[in-house]
Amino acid sequence: SQKIEQNSEALNIQEGKTATLTCNYTNYSPAYLQWYRQDPGRGPVFLLLIRENEKEKRKERLKVTFDTTLKQSLFHITASQPADSATYLCALDERDSGAGSYQLTFGKGTKLSVIP
Amino acid sequence: DAGITQSPRHKVTETGTPVTLRCHQTENHRYMYWYRQDPGHGLRLIHYSYGVKDTDKGEVSDGYSVSRSKTEDFLLTLESATSSQTSVYFCAIRALQGKYTGELFFGEGSRLTVL
Repeated sequence: SQKIEQNSEALNIQEGKTATLTCNYTNYSPAYLQWYRQDPGRGPVFLLLIRENEKEKRKERLKVTFDTTLKQSLFHITASQPADSATYLCALDERDSGAGSYQLTFGKGTKLSVIP
Repeated sequence: DAGITQSPRHKVTETGTPVTLRCHQTENHRYMYWYRQDPGHGLRLIHYSYGVKDTDKGEVSDGYSVSRSKTEDFLLTLESATSSQTSVYFCAIRALQGKYTGELFFGEGSRLTVL
């Protein structure tokens, strides 16, 4: 069966450290993988997209990697700040793959808390 | 701001009553989605649309129907609401043209409580 797993429901980290969140999947063939941030009571907000032929993507303090062999994406926040506290969601995007679907399938998310 | 609004934002209703949630966009995007979000389940796709009158089922479509008679509006209907449909419902549009790379823009959500 198809499955998306984000490493943990909750992750606590000290301010200034690097937070690393994991997204693993099975029985999907995503051509792209997306990451979103969600604050309480709000809708998710898009952060980054990485393509299957890209190993790494960066945006300011954010870095995403995508390993289609391991079927895994890592999401890093460097020099983390309390304002980074939120739930982070990964989403599999099978657009342009053999599945040809325009659906995005989301993981359950990891709630990150950055402690001052 | 992706120009997406949901209504109503909050609704309390009774079991067995019909409910319609509306999603409106101002950006003329082709793809629109309805998700529900529940503790322990994350975001799950209910239905999506890839054009006027073109819709398809998602993972949790039972008990829901949708309609899209205009590009800008995507309606989600619960014909006879049940307590298991108590949830937060999010509409999203998919931006694929121009500077966009296929990301979703979400509305603020509609919190539905079925008593």
